[in-house]
Amino acid sequence: QVTLRESGPMLVKPTQTLTLTCTFSGFSLLTSGVAVGWIRQPPGKALECLALIYGDDNESFSPSLKGRLTVTKDTYKNKIVLTMTNLDPADTATYFCARHLDPSHAFDVWGPGTRVTVSS
Amino acid sequence: EIVLTQSPVTLSLSPGERATLSCRASQSVGSYLAWYQQKPGQAPRLLIYYASIRAAGVPARFSGSGSGTDFTLTISSLDLEDFAIYFCQHRTTWPLTFGQGTRLDIK
Repeated sequence: QVTLRESGPMLVKPTQTLTLTCTFSGFSLLTSGVAVGWIRQPPGKALECLALIYGDDNESFSPSLKGRLTVTKDTYKNKIVLTMTNLDPADTATYFCARHLDPSHAFDVWGPGTRVTVSS
Repeated sequence: EIVLTQSPVTLSLSPGERATLSCRASQSVGSYLAWYQQKPGQAPRLLIYYASIRAAGVPARFSGSGSGTDFTLTISSLDLEDFAIYFCQHRTTWPLTFGQGTRLDIK
């Protein structure tokens, strides 16, 4: 059974750094064509893909957030850590991680999401 | 960046009716278009990928069509559980983007 789960702080102050962890099971990032994406959704708004991470060195980051995002992979412990610097209230959102499969070009399994509020 | 525009923004229908949702891309995405359903407080659920292939466990009343820039998600006969928000998403070039969503309300 494929599962993903996000974890991290619920409240972050402006200018601080956010660290979110995606822990997954039931698949390996080392499998060809498998990636994990980070997607966020501000309250009442649309989805935005922040990053797409493969098991090799193939990583893509949102152009609008490039420079603020870094990712650390532990492919054997099945964890991906997303770090976002210089938080702003506009970064308040629910953050999801999801499995992406190249054959389908879609996110087929999602974590439940973690709500992050940026406020002083 | 490819922009996906969904219409209508809100669609009000009754159970048993047919729903037709549209997603238009600012440039061709081939058939690399997926549809998701999202209910309040939940993560999105993949319904359709590669424009017309139903994901595992998705009821046959959901169907997708289109290619290039114009795509349609059709729900043949609405069930109460289908009232939700629907998003389209492309995976042609980076950045991968989503449409702004269509809210399907009970009339």
